[in-house]
Amino acid sequence: GAGVSQSPSNKVTEKGKDVELRCDPISGHTALYWYRQSLGQGLEFLIYFQGNSAPDKSGLPSDRFSAERTGGSVSTLTIQRTQQEDSAVYLCASSSTQGLNQPQHFGDGTRLSIL
Amino acid sequence: SQQGEEDPQALSIQEGENATMNCSYKTSINNLQWYRQNSGRGLVHLILIRSNEREKHSGRLRVTLDTSKKSSSLLITASRAADTASYFCATDAETSGSRLTFGEGTQLTVNP
Repeated sequence: GAGVSQSPSNKVTEKGKDVELRCDPISGHTALYWYRQSLGQGLEFLIYFQGNSAPDKSGLPSDRFSAERTGGSVSTLTIQRTQQEDSAVYLCASSSTQGLNQPQHFGDGTRLSIL
Repeated sequence: SQQGEEDPQALSIQEGENATMNCSYKTSINNLQWYRQNSGRGLVHLILIRSNEREKHSGRLRVTLDTSKKSSSLLITASRAADTASYFCATDAETSGSRLTFGEGTQLTVNP
């Protein structure tokens, strides 16, 4: 079946512009996660959605970052007034339930470059 | 410092040899997971070991977990060139609500 799909795969934009990144999770997965990965580094947690519960936004680095998940499926991560330090790969993952011991399934990410 | 720190940072071996990567963490966990990432791709889940398990096998992979030392190891036996990738451990801490905390990874290169 289809995996997690992210778009665009690459995005180059000028400093100060807003960007929207999209994630289509695996159908039926109730949990959705956004992470950021800088070059050669591990993943940094950004935000987590579970069903209709309030999202866990504790990893968002600033108020320029926001995310929403419509209808419990597709999610968009928005970065306003982009800065050069926002350049990274943004990865989305989904899992079948919030329950313990569930693996996460990742998309291939959006590589964001801020000029 | 970070939950989930791998060592070594980089490992280069010959095809057929075994590769061992280690991970240390700091807080109590529900489980520890290992993921693999090929260059330019997302992460692929390899194996999950629960906090009450000590060892787990999956094909050529063997994972151990020592909760008293807060450490885990991933062993890949009879390595292949196709195993070349970055390997990350990730912990699901008891207080995290299923969010994972990743280490910075081990870059494994298997030379043919």
